[in-house]
Amino acid sequence: GAVVSQHPSWVICKSGTSVKIECRSLDFQATTMFWYRQFPKQSLMLMATSNEGSKATYEQGVEKDKFLINHASLTLSTLTVTSAHPEDSSFYICSARSGFNEQFFGPGTRLTVL
Amino acid sequence: GEDVEQSLFLSVREGDSSVINCTYTDSSSTYLYWYKQEPGAGLQLLTYIFSNMDMKQDQRLTVLLNKKDKHLSLRIADTQTGDSAIYFCAESPNTDKLIFGTGTRLQVFP
Repeated sequence: GAVVSQHPSWVICKSGTSVKIECRSLDFQATTMFWYRQFPKQSLMLMATSNEGSKATYEQGVEKDKFLINHASLTLSTLTVTSAHPEDSSFYICSARSGFNEQFFGPGTRLTVL
Repeated sequence: GEDVEQSLFLSVREGDSSVINCTYTDSSSTYLYWYKQEPGAGLQLLTYIFSNMDMKQDQRLTVLLNKKDKHLSLRIADTQTGDSAIYFCAESPNTDKLIFGTGTRLQVFP
C-alpha cells in the first residue's frame, strides 16, 4: 500500500510555543489530506480536511487560528499548533488520499506541551 | 447524527475466534471499514464492506453487516498474539469523511 510519513514522531514543547507537524505522501500524489486528533484511549476525531492549493475545511469546534493547516503541494501538508498549551497535548494523525480512493494513515505525532 | 460505538475491551485466548462489534447511526454510509492500530502507530485498513453486502470474508477476517440494525462485526479466526491491537470501525457518510468508533482493545493471551 501507499506510504504516508509524519515528522516529527514525537515532540515536547513549552507552553506558548508553536509546533509544526509535517505529513508527507511518499509514493503517491495526495489530492486530499486529513488531520485527526486522538486522545488517550479514545477514538480519532477529524480536525480538518485539506485539498491541495485551497484552504482547509475545519470541523465544528476546531479553531482554525489555533491549528493552521497548509497543503502547499500534492505530497506535503503541515499542521501548526500555535501557542500550544497543555490541553493541546495529544496524538495527531494525518491521512492522505488520491482522488476518492482509500485513505492512507501516517504513524502519528505525539505532542506533549509542558 | 453521527455516532459509532464499540465495546472497549476484548480478551481472548490464542487460537480462539474474536468477535468485535460496532453500531453506527448513519444509514447513508456507503462503505463501512475496520482499521487496526498497533501501539504508537497509525491506522492500518484491514477490510471494508459495501453497504449492500451482508458478509465479506478475507482470509481470517469475516465482516458481517446488519443494515437494519446498523450493526457491524469483525470476526478474527484463529486469533494470534500479533492480533493484539486496537480495532476501530468507521463509517463513511460521504466521500470525504470517516467517522470512527471508540475502538476496541483486543488482548490475546497464550
